[in-house]
Amino acid sequence: DAGVIQSPRHEVTEMGQEVTLRCKPISGHNSLFWYRQTMMRGLELLIYFNNNVPIDDSGMPEDRFSAKMPNASFSTLKIQPSEPRDSAVYFCASSRRGGPQPQHFGDGTRLSIL
Amino acid sequence: AQTVTQSQPEMSVQEAETVTLSCTYDTSESDYYLFWYKQPPSRQMILVIRQEAYKQQNATENRFSVNFQKAAKSFSLKISDSQLGDAAMYFCAYSPPSDNYGQNFVFGPGTRLSVLP
Repeated sequence: DAGVIQSPRHEVTEMGQEVTLRCKPISGHNSLFWYRQTMMRGLELLIYFNNNVPIDDSGMPEDRFSAKMPNASFSTLKIQPSEPRDSAVYFCASSRRGGPQPQHFGDGTRLSIL
Repeated sequence: AQTVTQSQPEMSVQEAETVTLSCTYDTSESDYYLFWYKQPPSRQMILVIRQEAYKQQNATENRFSVNFQKAAKSFSLKISDSQLGDAAMYFCAYSPPSDNYGQNFVFGPGTRLSVLP
C-alpha cells in the first residue's frame, strides 16, 4: 500500500514568496495532520482534519499559514508571505478511524526560506 | 492538558546491549493510547510500538518492548540486542481515546539514541 505522499521533498525559496506544501493521505484514512519540526521547538501540531473538516487549528502560528483539505485524498499547507523563521521540516500524517490507530507520516518537506 | 516528558535528551548504548528510554505523561483520562516512534537521520517517522492503557500486558515487537506503569504514568521503551540501525531520535506519544476519528497526538521532545560499535 502507498504511504502518505508529500511534495515537494525539498523547497528553497526567498522571503516573501508563497509556499504551498502538498499531501496525499493513505486511502481510507479519515484524519489528516500537519506538523512542523524544528530543533528549537520539536514536533508541533499545526492543524488537523477529520473527514476533510478542520477540527483544531490552534497550532497554526499566524495568519500567514493556511491549510485546506478539498477532498479525502488531498491537502495543502500554504504560507504567504514566507519568512526565514518558517524554515523547518513539515510533516503530513494520516490515520484511520476507530481504536488505537497510529498516525502514519509522510517523508516530510524540508523548507528553507532565504 | 496532556503533556509528555522524555527526561533523557541523549542516550548511548553499545551494540548488542540493552537500553531503556524513559517517558512519562500526564493525563486525567483512564483510557488512552501510547506510542513510540523512531526518526532515523532519513527523517522518516516510523511507528515502533503501541500500547493501549486498558491492557495490563506490556506490548512487545521483536527486540522492542515497553514497561507500562499506568499508576506511575510511565511508558519506557526497552531495546534489546541494540543494532547500529537503531540509532535515531525516539519520540513518545500520547493519544486520547477515540471512538470514531483520529485524535491529536501529544509528542514528547524526543531522545537521541546513539549506538556504539
